[in-house]
Amino acid sequence: AQSVTQLDSQVPVFEEAPVELRCNYSSSVSVYLFWYVQYPNQGLQLLLKYLSGSTLVKGINGFEAEFNKSQTSFHLRKPSVHISDTAEYFCAVSIYNTDKLIFGTGTRLQVFP
Amino acid sequence: DTEVTQTPKHLVMGMTNKKSLKCEQHMGHRAMYWYKQKAKKPPELMFVYSYEKLSINESVPSRFSPECPNSSLLNLHLHALQPEDSALYLCASSQDGLAGAWGTDTQYFGPGTRLTVL
Repeated sequence: AQSVTQLDSQVPVFEEAPVELRCNYSSSVSVYLFWYVQYPNQGLQLLLKYLSGSTLVKGINGFEAEFNKSQTSFHLRKPSVHISDTAEYFCAVSIYNTDKLIFGTGTRLQVFP
Repeated sequence: DTEVTQTPKHLVMGMTNKKSLKCEQHMGHRAMYWYKQKAKKPPELMFVYSYEKLSINESVPSRFSPECPNSSLLNLHLHALQPEDSALYLCASSQDGLAGAWGTDTQYFGPGTRLTVL
């Protein structure tokens, strides 16, 4: 069975500091990887996705993620965060030839001034 | 335009009421989804419509009844709900559905309807 693990439920960080949000997955078949962000009282917005090709994926709002097949990870990074990045971040995988998107439990990024 | 709209934004209903949630997209997407999200939890898939046909029902209780009148519109009819059904209900759409795009499709989410059942 496929699963997604986000080890950190909360990540507090000061403004302008770098941040990494961790995501690990397990699957015996091909998967595609996504990061979504959810701002308070809003729906989910796609930050970036990895389908194939270069393992370093750049997304919106200065975020990037690196796919590491050997470590089954897809960690999200930003070199310098802003207060406005405070939100819930979800890692997700889609399974080849199914209509399902499997979400991790989410990481709450809290940026302090 | 990558917008999915949902109405109403908030809904309060009693356990004997009948109400409906509405979702609309004009991106020409052929797959639409309903998710339920409890506080501080990830979204849980409820239903998937692909080309206006129900393709996935994640064993959702029959008090939730989805309907897809056309390719742009998705409804969720609610009847005899329980207080534990209170949650944020999210709608999403994607171009071909994940299966049709071999898992590579991007889902676009609406802002959700905050449902409270008294």
